[in-house]
Amino acid sequence: NAGVTQTPKFQVLKTGQSMTLQCAQDMNHEYMSWYRQDPGMGLRLIHYSVGAGITDQGEVPNGYNVSRSTTEDFPLRLLSAAPSQTSVYFCASSYSGGLEPQHFGDGTRLSIL
Amino acid sequence: DQQVKQNSPSLSVQEGRISILNCDYTNSMFDYFLWYKKYPAEGPTFLISISSIKDKNEDGRFTVFLNKSAKHLSLHIVPSQPGDSAVYFCAASALGSSNTGKLIFGQGTTLQVKP
Repeated sequence: NAGVTQTPKFQVLKTGQSMTLQCAQDMNHEYMSWYRQDPGMGLRLIHYSVGAGITDQGEVPNGYNVSRSTTEDFPLRLLSAAPSQTSVYFCASSYSGGLEPQHFGDGTRLSIL
Repeated sequence: DQQVKQNSPSLSVQEGRISILNCDYTNSMFDYFLWYKKYPAEGPTFLISISSIKDKNEDGRFTVFLNKSAKHLSLHIVPSQPGDSAVYFCAASALGSSNTGKLIFGQGTTLQVKP
């Protein structure tokens, strides 16, 4: 049972490049979310999804795009990378997003030069 | 504006003693609170939670206390063990009728338990 799998684990980009961070879960969870973690700021919600075909914005959505075509996958797209997007990105999932705790992947460390 | 605050960036305690991690929040709509533990190079893992209808929840060595009037919660670890050394995040959610599960996290407190 893999849980929540994030790829890649590390990535370096140049300013202006685009890329997709992958997130997959094998627990049949309806709720999935993306967070970024920056020093001294904890985790901040970027986008979330309550089920296939449904997405919504979190606290810091600008510069990011998401889609949810299947229950298992929730990719995060950086449209035009900026140095301010240098961060560690975590994907999480849970059955319904309510009282069930979210399960986190191990993160993608992204550096934008 | 930080809605969930952990004002102590770090805490150091001796093995066997009690660790107390604190968290304050400002949004009175929050009704569900969680603590996550995070080791380096890993994702956060769920530790314990509490609903606003309770003022205490216990799970083994971990107890969370909620003081709604003060908008304050704390995590007690007794006895503390070296393996508890990690970053602890407090998180809050306003479930209400929306039930979207959006979590607001504090900045984290790094706990070091010395042998």
